[in-house]
Amino acid sequence: GQQLNQSPQSMFIQEGEDVSMNCTSSSIFNTWLWYKQDPGEGPVLLIALYKAGELTSNGRLTAQFGITRKDSFLNISASIPSDVGIYFCAGPSYSGAGSYQLTFGKGTKLSVIP
Amino acid sequence: AAGVIQSPRHLIKEKRETATLKCYPIPRHDTVYWYQQGPGQDPQFLISFYEKMQSDKGSIPDRFSAQQFSDYHSELNMSSLELGDSALYFCASSLGGSPLHFGNGTRLTVT
Repeated sequence: GQQLNQSPQSMFIQEGEDVSMNCTSSSIFNTWLWYKQDPGEGPVLLIALYKAGELTSNGRLTAQFGITRKDSFLNISASIPSDVGIYFCAGPSYSGAGSYQLTFGKGTKLSVIP
Repeated sequence: AAGVIQSPRHLIKEKRETATLKCYPIPRHDTVYWYQQGPGQDPQFLISFYEKMQSDKGSIPDRFSAQQFSDYHSELNMSSLELGDSALYFCASSLGGSPLHFGNGTRLTVT
């Protein structure tokens, strides 16, 4: 099946620093999604990317869909303590039956030191 | 805005028992998904329903079954529970091909 390679696995940063994480795949995806998960909670959608080369921002978050459609990065600027959590990239595989399977990366665990 | 509602939030069962997890999707969403997330793992797709019909199947054990009802809520039934079934179980919903919106999950502990 499809696999997403996400890096880094974990990051420790100082509050106020910028953060960058990325995701690569051996397969082409038509959509890239970035989710954040807090402990014991469900993943929350941060940004959805639909076009190769697309650069999209959501507040302090910026994500880009790679030109080859095999990679994406997520940047967080001026990190704050509430940015702590696990960030997942995800790509859909459509079954043609009205739904799709999401393949997730292994996640990047972000810790912010006040 | 209404979100995906799951119940119960926590469930403790013994080995070989049965569990039923419930999911209420976002209103007007036509597709429901179930995912399993083990400790320190990424979510793994189990099964999905589109307009109340099963549409896709992932790594769902034969001991598990699911259905979507006429009011669009869905239930995941798990029988002959094993220790390895302990995990977070998420339901998600979407409208058409839109991104999935996840509930807050049910934490199942099998003892």
